[in-house]
Amino acid sequence: GQNIDQPTEMTATEGAIVQINCTYQTSGFNGLFWYQQHAGEAPTFLSYNVLDGLEEKGRFSSFLSRSKGYSYLLLKELQMKDSASYLCAVNEDNYQLIWGAGTKLIIKP
Amino acid sequence: EAGVAQSPRYKIIEKRQSVAFWCNPISGHATLYWYQQILGQGPKLLIQFQNNGVVDDSQLPKDRFSAERLKGVDSTLKIQPAKLEDSAVYLCASSLVQTNTGELFFGEGSRLTVL
Repeated sequence: GQNIDQPTEMTATEGAIVQINCTYQTSGFNGLFWYQQHAGEAPTFLSYNVLDGLEEKGRFSSFLSRSKGYSYLLLKELQMKDSASYLCAVNEDNYQLIWGAGTKLIIKP
Repeated sequence: EAGVAQSPRYKIIEKRQSVAFWCNPISGHATLYWYQQILGQGPKLLIQFQNNGVVDDSQLPKDRFSAERLKGVDSTLKIQPAKLEDSAVYLCASSLVQTNTGELFFGEGSRLTVL
């Protein structure tokens, strides 16, 4: 069956680094997305990984291991505005997007 | 570039009433999605259009939900009759790419409360 697991909630300190994990079990794989969603707002695109490895984009990096069914989003130099939910979504073989429930990240001063 | 437009932003209705949501995607985006997002959960796909044709509506409760995309641009999502469990945010998204390999651009959503 299809399954995407993310921690429900994480807390981190302003200026620190946090890693949000996502594990998936899907019938196929054509890429993995990370989206950011602030409370009461729409999701916005952060990254899309198709190949194994780390992709860096400013303070945010995303890693993928297809053999392990695993990805993480790494946020550096945390700012208060990074408080949001982070959604992991997998593109299956039949081009369906399977969404995780999201990880709520709380940043403390 | 204008983003995805949705209306209304908020709607409160009583159960068994009907409601309609409207979406205008980004110009030139052939793929349009309607998602339902219940508080604390990830988005759930209701229907995906490619131009004005339906690609996937396997999770659309067809006994009460309907959607159309006339002329391959604007889309409406209707619920009739509404149930309490339909309380959610209804997100419209569009994409330039047809195969879910590209970025989805979301509208601000329509928050529905069913009493």
